[in-house]
Amino acid sequence: KAGVTQTPRYLIKTRGQQVTLSCSPISGHRSVSWYQQTPGQGLQFLFEYFSETQRNKGNFPGRFSGRQFSNSRSEMNVSTLELGDSALYLCASGRSGGEETQYFGPGTRLLVL
Amino acid sequence: SQELEQSPQSLIVQEGKNLTINCTSSKTLYGLYWYKQKYGEGLIFLMMLQKGGEEKSHEKITAKLDEKKQQSSLHITASQPSHAGIYLCGADRVGGTSYGKLTFGQGTILTVHP
Repeated sequence: KAGVTQTPRYLIKTRGQQVTLSCSPISGHRSVSWYQQTPGQGLQFLFEYFSETQRNKGNFPGRFSGRQFSNSRSEMNVSTLELGDSALYLCASGRSGGEETQYFGPGTRLLVL
Repeated sequence: SQELEQSPQSLIVQEGKNLTINCTSSKTLYGLYWYKQKYGEGLIFLMMLQKGGEEKSHEKITAKLDEKKQQSSLHITASQPSHAGIYLCGADRVGGTSYGKLTFGQGTILTVHP
């Protein structure tokens, strides 16, 4: 069974631009969570989607948004990029998003110049 | 303050040595997960613990959750260079609802010298 895939793997943007990241969960998994990882703040939860609905959200500004499609694939969008948005963005999938193991993708490395 | 505290922050050992990484919470842990990460890559799931006193092993790695469910330890026996990486503990339902949210410790960087 294929693991969680994320595209693109690397991305360079300039301040003020917007970016869209994509995540395909493990087949059969309906929950997708997104995390931001930085050296200073560590791994922080952004949001979680299940059946195309956002069920949980972390403490990030509204510039960070996401959506999930009927095939459980998810996208994350960051608008008006800031230098501080440079990070590794990880998505994770689970069957139901309850208290169960989450499996992570390889991440998208975003550099904002 | 960090809700999950990991110690030590970094660890350098000689190949063949045993080592322990700790993860401590001020709140009861309902689900405790251990992951390993190579720098700049995704997280690899190692083990999940849910019951107080639970212990699980896989190859040379053993994870335990204490009876009070507030502390977990990860023990590596006879370390190898392949064990090098960042070890992260994550927990469900720390300070709020779950639904796909794991709260992580700051990570422990493990270096194993051949």
